[in-house]
This record gives sequence, C-alpha cells and structure tokens, in this order.
Amino acid sequence: SAVISQKPSRDICQRGTSLTIQCQVDSQVTMMFWYRQQPGQSLTLIATANQGSEATYESGFVIDKFPISRPNLTFSTLTVSNLSPEDSSIYLCSGTGVPYEQYFGPGTRLTVT
Amino acid sequence: GDSVTQMEGPVTLSEEAFLTINCTYTATGYPSLFWYVQYPGEGLQLLLKATKADDKGSNKGFEATYRKETTSFHLEKGSVQVSDSAVYFCALSPNQAGTALIFGKGTTLSVSS
Repeated sequence: SAVISQKPSRDICQRGTSLTIQCQVDSQVTMMFWYRQQPGQSLTLIATANQGSEATYESGFVIDKFPISRPNLTFSTLTVSNLSPEDSSIYLCSGTGVPYEQYFGPGTRLTVT
Repeated sequence: GDSVTQMEGPVTLSEEAFLTINCTYTATGYPSLFWYVQYPGEGLQLLLKATKADDKGSNKGFEATYRKETTSFHLEKGSVQVSDSAVYFCALSPNQAGTALIFGKGTTLSVSS
C-alpha cells in the first residue's frame, strides 16, 4: 500500500486569497486524484492529476479556480483560488496503487472567513 | 453511468449489536467494490475490498460479499464497538485505467456503550 501525506492539515483563510495544498506519496503511483468533501457530504472528484500534463477536471470544476500541478509520480499540488466561504471543505488527495485500489491522504480542512 | 447507493444514516446501535449497512451498485462492466471508513477528523481508510463476484472481503471483524445477482455489497459486523463509530463509504471502481472511484453518500454509524 502507499502512504499519502498532505500539508497543511488545516488552515483558516481570508476571502479572496488562495491556498495551496501539497500531496506527497511514499511510492510511485500511476494516478493521483483530488476530491472535495463538504461538511457531512460524500466525496466529489475535482480532477485527475496527470504527470507532466494538464489535469483533467470534472464537470463544475475549472482550472482557473483549482489549478493543479503534478511534476512527478509522487507529488501533486492543488490550489484553491479566490476563496469564498463556499470553498470551506475538506480536500483529499488520493493515489492509485494495486490495480484500481485508491489510497487517501488525511485531508486538508479549509475554513474561509 | 456507474453509481453506488447506500442506506441512509445515521445508524445508532448499542455496543455488541449486529451491524448491516446496505450498499447496491449499478455498473456496465465488472467493477471492484470497496468499503472505506472515515473516523472523526481523519481521511479515508480502506476497510475491505472484493474484486470479483462471490468474493468476500473482511477486516477487523467487518465482512462484505460481492453479490453480482443482487448487485450488492452489504457491510456486516457481528458485534460493534464504540470505536467503530465513524462514517462508512461504499465505493466502486469501474476497473478502467485512470478512472477514479465512485462513492456512495456515506453512512454515519454511532455506537453507544
């Protein structure tokens, strides 16, 4: 299995600013994904982070708001831009290891004031 | 498209009670099925999985059997503990490269002593 860490674990940000979340995997993974989990809700896929190319975004999520980088097979970042209170959520990254089994990071809890 | 339906929560049980959380799925191919658990304030942990029909996944006293005829993957535990209080997510992998998991809405379990 893969161990995934995220930084920061939580943050409180002002409206209009941005937050960049880092995701580090302890081994190479084929695919990395970013999810949003709003309070009391299930996980919603934001995008698939592709190594060396642009991320693939799900409907309702755009690159200008959620730019993603993945410079190598073990690291990715998600930036949440121009923050509003509606962006207050837990953001989780995951990676695919054993075929189609996903491992998750502990999440980043974002509060926007 | 593929989807996962979980029973609505919350589920409230006394310690040592029997647990069942229902999960059914819709898929066009031959998916793998998973149960993830999220403890308060934490990320998702893989609880168990099954990759083909009639497989039984088990871990920490929890079990689930992949039933193709009823398209179900119900989670069971014979005797719950207070420490099992968490949110449980049923998930499906379409088993296609680069495809993220599809999650159910989650079921909150609360166990009292």
